[in-house]
Amino acid sequence: AQSVTQLGSHVSVSEGALVLLRCNYSSSVPPYLFWYVQYPNQGLQLLLKYTSAATLVKGINGFEAEFKKSETSFHLTKPSAHMSDAAEYFCAVSTLNDMRFGAGTRLTVKP
Amino acid sequence: NAGVTQTPKFRVLKTGQSMTLLCAQDMNHEYMYWYRQDPGMGLRLIHYSVGEGTTAKGEVPDGYNVSRLKKQNFLLGLESAAPSQTSVYFCASSPRGGPYEQYFGPGTRLTVT
Repeated sequence: AQSVTQLGSHVSVSEGALVLLRCNYSSSVPPYLFWYVQYPNQGLQLLLKYTSAATLVKGINGFEAEFKKSETSFHLTKPSAHMSDAAEYFCAVSTLNDMRFGAGTRLTVKP
Repeated sequence: NAGVTQTPKFRVLKTGQSMTLLCAQDMNHEYMYWYRQDPGMGLRLIHYSVGEGTTAKGEVPDGYNVSRLKKQNFLLGLESAAPSQTSVYFCASSPRGGPYEQYFGPGTRLTVT
């Protein structure tokens, strides 16, 4: 079965600083990988996904992620954090009928 | 379009009571899912359905039952609620599995006392 590990349950950055949220996956078959964002008291929304096309994936709100097979990683980055980026972020790995989520990383943005 | 809706938004149950959570989607999606979200554990799949009339167990199915009698609806039942089922429950739908994103409802916060 596939699994996801998100390194760091809490990440704090200053406004304007680089955002880096780490995700490593395990899968016995070529994976589909996703990043979702959850704002307080809401459901999850898709940020971006990797489906075996380009390894560098661009998403909404200036986020991007790079699929690195050799490192089994799919880290999420944004060059300059904004206050509105404060939320919880989930990495997920999917096969045909199964999607597994990481435990989540809560991002705090300091003014 | 409303997307994915969940009813109710909040519920408090006593141990041993039963209830049903309703999920509805208007996107004509084949696949539907029920997750629970607990602090520090992310989302865990309870049950899912790959089409009308079908259901399958996910990662944490014990204590829950589901039904998909109509394509647009996916019901989650708790026959005898336990405090360990206190959680936030999310429903999601997708056109298929694999590379397709899931669309999530707003969640139901359930407390079992």
